[in-house]
Amino acid sequence: GENVGLHLPTLSVQEGDNSIINCAYSNSASDYFIWYKQESGKGPQFIIDIRSNMDKRQGQRVTVLLNKTVKHLSLQIAATQPGDSAVYFCAEPYEYNFNKFYFGSGTKLNVKP
Amino acid sequence: DGGITQSPKYLFRKEGQNVTLSCEQNLNHDAMYWYRQDPGQGLRLIYYSQIVNDFQKGDIAEGYSVSREKKESFPLTVTSAQKNPTAFYLCASSIGGPGGQETQYFGPGTRLLVL
Repeated sequence: GENVGLHLPTLSVQEGDNSIINCAYSNSASDYFIWYKQESGKGPQFIIDIRSNMDKRQGQRVTVLLNKTVKHLSLQIAATQPGDSAVYFCAEPYEYNFNKFYFGSGTKLNVKP
Repeated sequence: DGGITQSPKYLFRKEGQNVTLSCEQNLNHDAMYWYRQDPGQGLRLIYYSQIVNDFQKGDIAEGYSVSREKKESFPLTVTSAQKNPTAFYLCASSIGGPGGQETQYFGPGTRLLVL
């Protein structure tokens, strides 16, 4: 690949199992979070977002959970498929007068067939 | 077919040379961004533009320049002053407007390599 996933935490799951990817954020005042998927050599792809007035949001096969008490975000992928193999990272805003985000380095998801 | 395009996919730079990376979007977004991605690291903001004919430095602007003469275009020039330009460069856009956070959508990226 393009070394996007080099030295990242890795999660290996069996095809068909559920995956949970975690993200800790730093600012208790953060009010909007985004999850992205990045395949090797490609640009990040928007998966799902959540605002702080929600604890949970569901998309197609994906669910994001937000725990504001411990500043923790998780992405759950149901029935993981080989095409889900990628680096997943979360984004947290760090400047509130404009749309600036801190992007985590991510977790590499390996799906075993 | 709406989206963000970046060209070229691969770009090679010689010592002392300036190179320009193209980014075009047909999403009618006001805001555009340039990021740099190094292996195992999160994206770092180089420059951003909230509206045509306006742009601001991000966190790592040294050695880079941009222009925003058209709403749909936000080219990035990597100058000879950038001593470590080898990276994956990503362009993004968002709807724009005052306040509030919103989703940024990314292009496919340009990989810049130094000869």
